[in-house]
Amino acid sequence: KQEVTQIPAALSVPEGENLVLNCSFTDSAIYNLQWFRQDPGKGLTSLLLIQSSQREQTSGRLNASLDKSSGRSTLYIAASQPGDSATYLCAVGSLDYGQNFVFGPGTRLSVLP
Amino acid sequence: GAGVSQSPRYKVAKRGQDVALRCDPISGHVSLFWYQQALGQGPEFLTYFQNEAQLDKSGLPSDRFFAERPEGSVSTLKIQRTQQEDSAVYLCASQRVRSTGELFFGEGSRLTVL
Repeated sequence: KQEVTQIPAALSVPEGENLVLNCSFTDSAIYNLQWFRQDPGKGLTSLLLIQSSQREQTSGRLNASLDKSSGRSTLYIAASQPGDSATYLCAVGSLDYGQNFVFGPGTRLSVLP
Repeated sequence: GAGVSQSPRYKVAKRGQDVALRCDPISGHVSLFWYQQALGQGPEFLTYFQNEAQLDKSGLPSDRFFAERPEGSVSTLKIQRTQQEDSAVYLCASQRVRSTGELFFGEGSRLTVL
Protein backbone atom coordinates (compact mmCIF):
# COMPACT_ATOMS: atom_id res chain seq x y z
CA LYS A 1 0.00 0.00 0.00
CA GLN A 2 1.36 3.41 -0.97
CA GLU A 3 1.94 5.67 2.04
CA VAL A 4 2.84 9.33 1.80
CA THR A 5 4.34 11.37 4.62
CA GLN A 6 5.25 15.04 4.85
CA ILE A 7 7.80 16.67 7.10
CA PRO A 8 7.55 18.98 8.91
CA ALA A 9 3.88 18.98 9.92
CA ALA A 10 4.06 22.72 10.56
CA LEU A 11 6.60 25.43 9.83
CA SER A 12 6.82 29.09 10.79
CA VAL A 13 9.37 31.36 9.11
CA PRO A 14 10.01 35.11 8.81
CA GLU A 15 9.24 36.78 5.52
CA GLY A 16 12.01 36.56 2.93
CA GLU A 17 13.41 33.20 3.96
CA ASN A 18 13.95 30.35 1.51
CA LEU A 19 12.40 27.10 2.69
CA VAL A 20 12.05 23.43 1.79
CA LEU A 21 9.05 21.16 2.31
CA ASN A 22 9.51 17.40 2.14
CA CYS A 23 7.32 14.60 0.80
CA SER A 24 8.20 10.89 1.10
CA PHE A 25 6.45 7.88 -0.43
CA THR A 26 6.96 4.17 0.15
CA ASP A 27 6.37 2.70 -3.34
CA SER A 28 8.60 4.12 -6.07
CA ALA A 29 6.39 2.78 -8.90
CA ILE A 30 4.70 6.12 -9.51
CA TYR A 31 3.67 7.88 -12.69
CA ASN A 32 3.57 11.42 -11.34
CA LEU A 33 3.60 13.61 -8.25
CA GLN A 34 1.68 16.81 -7.77
CA TRP A 35 2.07 19.60 -5.20
CA PHE A 36 -0.95 21.59 -4.03
CA ARG A 37 -1.68 24.44 -1.65
CA GLN A 38 -4.85 24.65 0.39
CA ASP A 39 -6.07 27.82 2.08
CA PRO A 40 -8.40 27.47 5.10
CA GLY A 41 -11.92 26.45 4.04
CA LYS A 42 -10.92 26.18 0.40
CA GLY A 43 -10.22 23.48 -2.14
CA LEU A 44 -6.78 22.47 -3.39
CA THR A 45 -4.90 24.63 -5.88
CA SER A 46 -2.42 22.87 -8.14
CA LEU A 47 1.14 24.25 -7.92
CA LEU A 48 3.38 21.86 -9.82
CA LEU A 49 3.05 18.49 -11.55
CA ILE A 50 6.11 16.29 -12.05
CA GLN A 51 5.91 13.26 -14.33
CA SER A 52 7.86 10.16 -13.32
CA SER A 53 10.38 10.77 -16.11
CA GLN A 54 11.19 14.27 -14.87
CA ARG A 55 13.56 15.38 -12.11
CA GLU A 56 12.15 18.83 -11.40
CA GLN A 57 9.63 21.49 -12.32
CA THR A 58 9.73 25.23 -11.73
CA SER A 59 7.05 27.89 -11.55
CA GLY A 60 8.02 31.37 -10.42
CA ARG A 61 9.44 31.16 -6.89
CA LEU A 62 8.56 27.47 -6.61
CA ASN A 63 10.77 24.53 -7.55
CA ALA A 64 9.80 20.92 -7.04
CA SER A 65 12.21 18.00 -7.38
CA LEU A 66 11.55 14.29 -7.63
CA ASP A 67 13.85 11.38 -6.73
CA LYS A 68 11.85 8.24 -7.47
CA SER A 69 14.53 5.79 -6.38
CA SER A 70 14.68 7.23 -2.88
CA GLY A 71 10.93 7.92 -2.71
CA ARG A 72 11.25 11.64 -2.09
CA SER A 73 10.12 14.98 -3.44
CA THR A 74 10.92 18.45 -2.18
CA LEU A 75 9.15 21.76 -2.73
CA TYR A 76 11.48 24.75 -2.54
CA ILE A 77 9.95 28.18 -1.97
CA ALA A 78 12.25 31.12 -2.56
CA ALA A 79 11.91 34.50 -0.84
CA SER A 80 8.79 33.52 1.11
CA GLN A 81 5.93 36.03 1.50
CA PRO A 82 3.02 36.21 3.97
CA GLY A 83 0.71 35.29 1.07
CA ASP A 84 2.47 31.92 0.89
CA SER A 85 0.90 30.96 4.24
CA ALA A 86 -1.24 27.87 3.60
CA THR A 87 -1.15 24.09 3.89
CA TYR A 88 0.96 22.38 1.25
CA LEU A 89 0.08 18.84 0.19
CA CYS A 90 1.76 16.38 -2.12
CA ALA A 91 -0.15 13.69 -4.01
CA VAL A 92 1.38 10.62 -5.62
CA GLY A 93 -0.11 8.86 -8.63
CA SER A 94 0.86 5.20 -8.30
CA LEU A 95 0.93 2.64 -11.09
CA ASP A 96 -0.18 -0.18 -8.84
CA TYR A 97 -3.19 1.62 -7.39
CA GLY A 98 -5.41 2.17 -10.38
CA GLN A 99 -6.18 5.80 -10.98
CA ASN A 100 -5.98 6.75 -7.34
CA PHE A 101 -3.81 9.56 -6.05
CA VAL A 102 -2.52 9.13 -2.51
CA PHE A 103 -2.14 12.32 -0.49
CA GLY A 104 0.18 13.22 2.33
CA PRO A 105 -1.18 14.92 5.47
CA GLY A 106 0.25 18.28 4.49
CA THR A 107 2.66 20.86 5.91
CA ARG A 108 1.07 23.95 7.46
CA LEU A 109 3.23 26.96 6.58
CA SER A 110 3.09 30.35 8.29
CA VAL A 111 5.19 33.20 6.87
CA LEU A 112 5.43 36.02 9.37
CA PRO A 113 5.66 39.64 8.17
CA GLY B 1 -16.66 25.59 -17.35
CA ALA B 2 -13.66 27.51 -16.14
CA GLY B 3 -13.11 25.35 -13.09
CA VAL B 4 -14.56 22.48 -11.08
CA SER B 5 -17.80 23.54 -9.43
CA GLN B 6 -19.30 21.87 -6.36
CA SER B 7 -22.64 22.39 -4.64
CA PRO B 8 -23.78 22.92 -2.02
CA ARG B 9 -20.74 24.49 -0.37
CA TYR B 10 -22.19 23.81 3.05
CA LYS B 11 -24.74 21.23 4.12
CA VAL B 12 -26.10 20.54 7.59
CA ALA B 13 -28.05 17.30 7.95
CA LYS B 14 -29.73 15.58 10.84
CA ARG B 15 -28.52 12.07 11.54
CA GLY B 16 -30.44 9.64 9.35
CA GLN B 17 -31.13 12.08 6.52
CA ASP B 18 -30.01 11.46 2.94
CA VAL B 19 -27.77 14.03 1.23
CA ALA B 20 -26.65 14.57 -2.37
CA LEU B 21 -23.51 16.46 -3.33
CA ARG B 22 -22.97 17.66 -6.88
CA CYS B 23 -19.78 18.07 -8.89
CA ASP B 24 -19.54 19.81 -12.26
CA PRO B 25 -16.06 19.08 -13.68
CA ILE B 26 -14.07 21.09 -16.19
CA SER B 27 -15.62 20.62 -19.62
CA GLY B 28 -13.96 17.81 -21.58
CA HIS B 29 -12.22 16.25 -18.60
CA VAL B 30 -12.38 12.49 -18.81
CA SER B 31 -11.53 11.52 -15.24
CA LEU B 32 -13.41 12.51 -12.11
CA PHE B 33 -12.49 11.75 -8.52
CA TRP B 34 -14.24 12.11 -5.18
CA TYR B 35 -12.22 12.56 -2.01
CA GLN B 36 -13.14 12.91 1.67
CA GLN B 37 -11.09 15.25 3.85
CA ALA B 38 -11.26 15.28 7.63
CA LEU B 39 -10.06 18.33 9.54
CA GLY B 40 -6.28 18.62 9.57
CA GLN B 41 -5.74 15.64 7.28
CA GLY B 42 -5.03 15.04 3.63
CA PRO B 43 -7.82 13.98 1.26
CA GLU B 44 -8.76 10.29 1.26
CA PHE B 45 -9.82 8.64 -2.01
CA LEU B 46 -13.47 7.59 -2.34
CA THR B 47 -14.15 6.77 -5.99
CA TYR B 48 -13.05 7.36 -9.58
CA PHE B 49 -14.89 7.70 -12.90
CA GLN B 50 -13.58 7.57 -16.43
CA ASN B 51 -16.33 9.18 -18.48
CA GLU B 52 -19.54 7.49 -17.21
CA ALA B 53 -17.83 4.32 -15.99
CA GLN B 54 -17.08 4.00 -12.29
CA LEU B 55 -13.75 2.17 -12.45
CA ASP B 56 -12.81 2.23 -8.78
CA LYS B 57 -15.07 2.57 -5.75
CA SER B 58 -12.74 0.91 -3.28
CA GLY B 59 -12.58 3.98 -1.04
CA LEU B 60 -16.30 4.29 -0.35
CA PRO B 61 -16.55 3.66 3.41
CA SER B 62 -19.89 1.81 3.40
CA ASP B 63 -22.82 0.86 1.22
CA ARG B 64 -24.52 4.06 2.38
CA PHE B 65 -22.26 5.92 -0.05
CA PHE B 66 -23.14 5.91 -3.73
CA ALA B 67 -21.76 7.90 -6.66
CA GLU B 68 -22.83 8.27 -10.26
CA ARG B 69 -21.86 10.11 -13.43
CA PRO B 70 -24.55 8.99 -15.88
CA GLU B 71 -23.62 11.14 -18.88
CA GLY B 72 -19.90 11.37 -18.28
CA SER B 73 -19.97 14.97 -17.07
CA VAL B 74 -21.77 15.99 -13.85
CA SER B 75 -21.36 13.61 -10.91
CA THR B 76 -23.39 13.17 -7.75
CA LEU B 77 -22.20 11.67 -4.47
CA LYS B 78 -25.10 10.44 -2.38
CA ILE B 79 -24.93 9.51 1.27
CA GLN B 80 -27.89 7.66 2.72
CA ARG B 81 -28.87 7.62 6.39
CA THR B 82 -26.08 10.01 7.35
CA GLN B 83 -24.09 9.39 10.52
CA GLN B 84 -22.00 11.82 12.56
CA GLU B 85 -18.79 10.21 11.31
CA ASP B 86 -19.75 11.27 7.78
CA SER B 87 -19.06 14.90 8.75
CA ALA B 88 -16.18 16.03 6.53
CA VAL B 89 -15.34 18.05 3.45
CA TYR B 90 -16.08 16.22 0.21
CA LEU B 91 -13.79 17.24 -2.61
CA CYS B 92 -14.25 16.60 -6.30
CA ALA B 93 -11.38 16.68 -8.80
CA SER B 94 -11.20 16.29 -12.56
CA GLN B 95 -8.38 15.39 -14.92
CA ARG B 96 -8.21 15.92 -18.67
CA VAL B 97 -6.39 12.72 -19.53
CA ARG B 98 -5.88 9.45 -17.75
CA SER B 99 -2.99 8.85 -15.38
CA THR B 100 -0.56 11.61 -16.29
CA GLY B 101 -2.79 14.64 -16.25
CA GLU B 102 -2.97 17.42 -13.70
CA LEU B 103 -5.70 17.20 -11.05
CA PHE B 104 -7.99 20.20 -10.64
CA PHE B 105 -10.12 20.48 -7.50
CA GLY B 106 -13.35 22.19 -6.65
CA GLU B 107 -13.91 24.21 -3.47
CA GLY B 108 -15.49 21.24 -1.71
CA SER B 109 -18.77 20.57 0.06
CA ARG B 110 -18.60 20.74 3.85
CA LEU B 111 -21.06 18.29 5.41
CA THR B 112 -22.00 18.53 9.06
CA VAL B 113 -24.20 15.80 10.50
CA LEU B 114 -25.89 16.66 13.78
